[in-house]
Amino acid sequence: EVQLVETGGGLIQPGGSLRLSCAASGFTVSSNYLSWVRQAPGKGLEWVSVIYSGGYTFYADSVKGRFTISRDNSKNTLYLQMNSLRAEDTAMYYCARVSHSNYGRYYFDYWGQGTLVTVSS
Amino acid sequence: SYVLTQPPSVSVAPGQTARITCGGNNIGSKSVHWYQQKPGQAPVLVVYDDNDRPSGIPERLSGSNSGNTATLTISRVEAGDEADYYCQVWDSSNDHWVFGGGTKLTVL
Repeated sequence: EVQLVETGGGLIQPGGSLRLSCAASGFTVSSNYLSWVRQAPGKGLEWVSVIYSGGYTFYADSVKGRFTISRDNSKNTLYLQMNSLRAEDTAMYYCARVSHSNYGRYYFDYWGQGTLVTVSS
Repeated sequence: SYVLTQPPSVSVAPGQTARITCGGNNIGSKSVHWYQQKPGQAPVLVVYDDNDRPSGIPERLSGSNSGNTATLTISRVEAGDEADYYCQVWDSSNDHWVFGGGTKLTVL
């Protein structure tokens, strides 16, 4: 059974750093595309970042240069290092697996339950 | 960057048909995917590749995609269908994923 469990959220001051983790089970992170998606309180879904099986990474413009996605294959875990945090980064952060069986038909087939990040002084 | 536009809200009586639209420039050339999100829960994939359903999703939910509009259709709406619905595509020009703003479905 595929499972994704996020941890690492919390209250952090503006300008601070936080690292989120997403422990995966039921599949191998190194063979899959994995993403972070966030949702600000009362708002819609916003894609944040992706890491491809080959290691390529991409970021939304809103976080590029501040966030870094990575994975530890030995721990089967995905990470999101968040630096220079701003109030507008306050959100529930979900990790999600990307189904990529066919080129261009990329969607999120499994989601974690999310971890809440609050950026406030 | 690619933009998807959804109506903020759709209301429908039980047993009727709800249609939630997702507009985008030539969206018919892309694969569209839909998610259902209930309060306090993570999103759940309900339609992928325009009109396919994951196992466990009832046939009452279906999708279509042509021209500049994709549509999620929910037939014989039930109280349990009340949720936020999001459309999503992958933008090949920059390897970004794009979500619509979401539509709140209210069952009257």
